[in-house]
Amino acid sequence: AQTVTQSQPEMSVQEAETVTLSCTYDTSESNYYLFWYKQPPSRQMILVIRQEAYKQQNATENRFSVNFQKAAKSFSLKISDSQLGDTAMYFCAFILSGSARQLTFGSGTQLTVLP
Amino acid sequence: DAMVIQNPRYQVTQFGKPVTLSCSQTLNHNVMYWYQQKSSQAPKLLFHYYDKDFNNEADTPDNFQSRRPNTSFCFLDIRSPGLGDAAMYLCATSSRQAAPYEQYFGPGTRLTVT
Repeated sequence: AQTVTQSQPEMSVQEAETVTLSCTYDTSESNYYLFWYKQPPSRQMILVIRQEAYKQQNATENRFSVNFQKAAKSFSLKISDSQLGDTAMYFCAFILSGSARQLTFGSGTQLTVLP
Repeated sequence: DAMVIQNPRYQVTQFGKPVTLSCSQTLNHNVMYWYQQKSSQAPKLLFHYYDKDFNNEADTPDNFQSRRPNTSFCFLDIRSPGLGDAAMYLCATSSRQAAPYEQYFGPGTRLTVT
């Protein structure tokens, strides 16, 4: 079974600063995908960024980037130039490749961006 | 815009009174999921449909049922809501054919049980 661990229940960052959210996972499989989802106070879950395990290059989406360390089973999210709208719960999630497997979520990190 | 729609956004029901939540999608995805999410917790998968094939999670209470009459719609029925069923219910969709199998979520229905 796969597990996803987010060890930081809460974090805060000053506006315009950079913050890194941690995520580790455990699997014996080699083909999978990793995601970071954001859930703002309005509660709609939206995808922030995805990473294919077979790709060595770290994914980047504008101010969001990941540090994917496959051997260490680590998948951290870096948010640069933090904005007030980044305040949200962030979930790290894992899915095996090959048909519709189930998403395994971490417990989440509540990020607050301070003005 | 293609999307996942949930109705109603807020639902209040009485203890033991059946309630139905609905989800529709314009993404033409063949997989639809229902999650229960309690405050400050990760979503918990209740069940999912792959086309018309229903897949129940082992720990989903019998009190929860689902219907998927067609590709676009999926319903969550709670037969006898208890106070512990008060939560946000999230619907999500994904395409089984196309990696990376990411899920697209609706805005959720917040259920209150009085």
